[in-house]
Amino acid sequence: AQSVSQHNHHVILSEAASLELGCNYSYGGTVNLFWYVQYPGQHLQLLLKYFSGDPLVKGIKGFEAEFIKSKFSFNLRKPSVQWSDTAEYFCAVNDDQAGTALIFGKGTTLSVSS
Amino acid sequence: KAGVTQTPRYLIKTRGQQVTLSCSPISGHRSVSWYQQTPGQGLQFLFEYFSETQRNKGNFPGRFSGRQFSNSRSEMNVSTLELGDSALYLCASSLASAARTDTQYFGPGTRLTVL
Repeated sequence: AQSVSQHNHHVILSEAASLELGCNYSYGGTVNLFWYVQYPGQHLQLLLKYFSGDPLVKGIKGFEAEFIKSKFSFNLRKPSVQWSDTAEYFCAVNDDQAGTALIFGKGTTLSVSS
Repeated sequence: KAGVTQTPRYLIKTRGQQVTLSCSPISGHRSVSWYQQTPGQGLQFLFEYFSETQRNKGNFPGRFSGRQFSNSRSEMNVSTLELGDSALYLCASSLASAARTDTQYFGPGTRLTVL
């Protein structure tokens, strides 16, 4: 069965620092990959998704992620974080076995200090 | 366009009771999925309904059940509540069919506390 690992439980950065959050999945079949974000007091919303084509995908608010099939990875990046990026970030995968079910990582809490 | 709505937002129940949670998807969305979020296990898929039929099911006991109505609204029911059922229950809707690339839009969740 598919599993998703997010390497960092809690990341603390200063404003303008660069961000990279790791995400690895286990099943090597056909996958679709997602990053969701949950801002304090708000519900989960989609940052970006990958299902085919260019492995470098751009999302909202300046975020991007790169799909590296050989490494089973889909890391999230942002060149310069802002205080408003403080949130919890979830990587999710669905595959041809799980169907439409999203398999989530445990999440990474990002704290940005101004 | 209104987002996914869930009612009630908070619930307190005691062990052994049952509970029903409700989810109204975004207008035009026909697929509704349910997830359980806990600090220990994170977000876990419960089940998905499409056109009033359960199309996919996660690894949860039979105490967890759901249904979908003709207007796409969905309910989930948990019978014989256990302390470990305390969680945030999230509903997500998406446009349709078996398109795994469809974006799932999440509601605010129902916080269930079992005493």
